[in-house]
Order: sequence, then structure tokens, then C-alpha cells
Amino acid sequence: DAKTTQPNSMESNEEEPVHLPCNHSTISGTDYIHWYRQLPSQGPEYVIHGLTSNVNNRMASLAIAEDRKSSTLILHRATLRDAAVYYCILRDVGGTSYGKLTFGQGTILTVHP
Amino acid sequence: DGGITQSPKYLFRKEGQNVTLSCEQNLNHDAMYWYRQDPGQGLRLIYYSQIVNDFQKGDIAEGYSVSREKKESFPLTVTSAQKNPTAFYLCASSVAGNSPLHFGNGTRLTVT
Repeated sequence: DAKTTQPNSMESNEEEPVHLPCNHSTISGTDYIHWYRQLPSQGPEYVIHGLTSNVNNRMASLAIAEDRKSSTLILHRATLRDAAVYYCILRDVGGTSYGKLTFGQGTILTVHP
Repeated sequence: DGGITQSPKYLFRKEGQNVTLSCEQNLNHDAMYWYRQDPGQGLRLIYYSQIVNDFQKGDIAEGYSVSREKKESFPLTVTSAQKNPTAFYLCASSVAGNSPLHFGNGTRLTVT
């Protein structure tokens, strides 16, 4: 499975934008880039996913590099409720790894009031 | 409201006992998954099922068993053969393909 690399932790102030980076240099053509976040003692929550083009939804934006070897999750205005562990995951829909989301250790985002 | 229900939230067992964790979904999803999470770590896949009466081993299936007799239910049994069963267990479901996973709120199992 293609792997992702994320910083262990990041900090932000409330109401400021947050850019969470993810490197995935071994990404294959059939890998989608997924982002989930997890609050303490809760299950992960889906945030956004994309293949090649940048994506926007009500929670965040996903900016994907032209060569697809990196991506950035953008929270436009961080709130205290955005403090969580953010996971960047590659999901291969073309092979036998159906459903096999491989979670790394993620980025712990701290938001300061 | 549609969602995934895991019960109980906390579970305590003595070493050597089998224990079954419940996972029920009313999202009409075909696929269901079990993950394990240890403190400070990411999630690891135990088993997954794409359709009723079919399931596949994930990365760490040893010491676990599952069944998928109904679309809505995917119980996980932690057997006495699992050497380090104390962990946070998460169930998820999805429709087919590249759709997002929906997770339950987990069961924290402590075996002493």
C-alpha cells in the first residue's frame, strides 16, 4: 500500500486558516486521497477526498499537487471544535485492497483560543 | 437518524474469556469493517465484509472472528487466542467503491 507522511503536530489560532500537509510520493494512478479526523474517544469522521482536482465541501478544501505526490487539507477558519487528529489516507479502488484504509499516526491539530 | 451503533462503550473481561463486540448499522451499507486502535496509534484493519455471508481478513485478524449473517450486523469476537486484546475497537460501514467510511463511536475493551 502506498504510504503517507504527515507532521506529528501543528498548532493554530482560532479563526485563522490551517494548512495540513501530506506527502504521498508513491501514490498510484488509482489511489484517491482521503482525509478523516478523530476526536478523543470517538470514531474517525470523514472530511474530504479527491483524485486529481482540488475539492471543496462545507468542512474543508483539499488542494492536490499537479504531480499528486502531495496534498494539503485547508481549514479556512479554525475553531476550537477543529482540534483533532487528522489522517491523510490513500485509498486504492482499483485493486484487491477494497476497504483497506491504512491509517498512519496522523497530525494532532491544536487550536488556541 | 441513520448511523452505526457500537455497544457497549466500555467492556471489561478476564483473561482467557471470549468476548463479542456488537456493531449495528441502519445506513443500508453493503460493506462493514472492524478496526483496532492502540493508544497514540492509527487504526489497523481486523476484518471487513463486502456483502452478507462473506468477509475477509485484514492486517491483524489473528485471535479474532466475525460473522455477517445480516446486512445490518457485523459482530466481532475477541477470542482468548488474541495476545493483547486491550484496545479501542471501531466499526465502520460504507457503500461500495470509493465512498467514505462511516464510523461508530467505538468500544473500549479492557482485559485483565
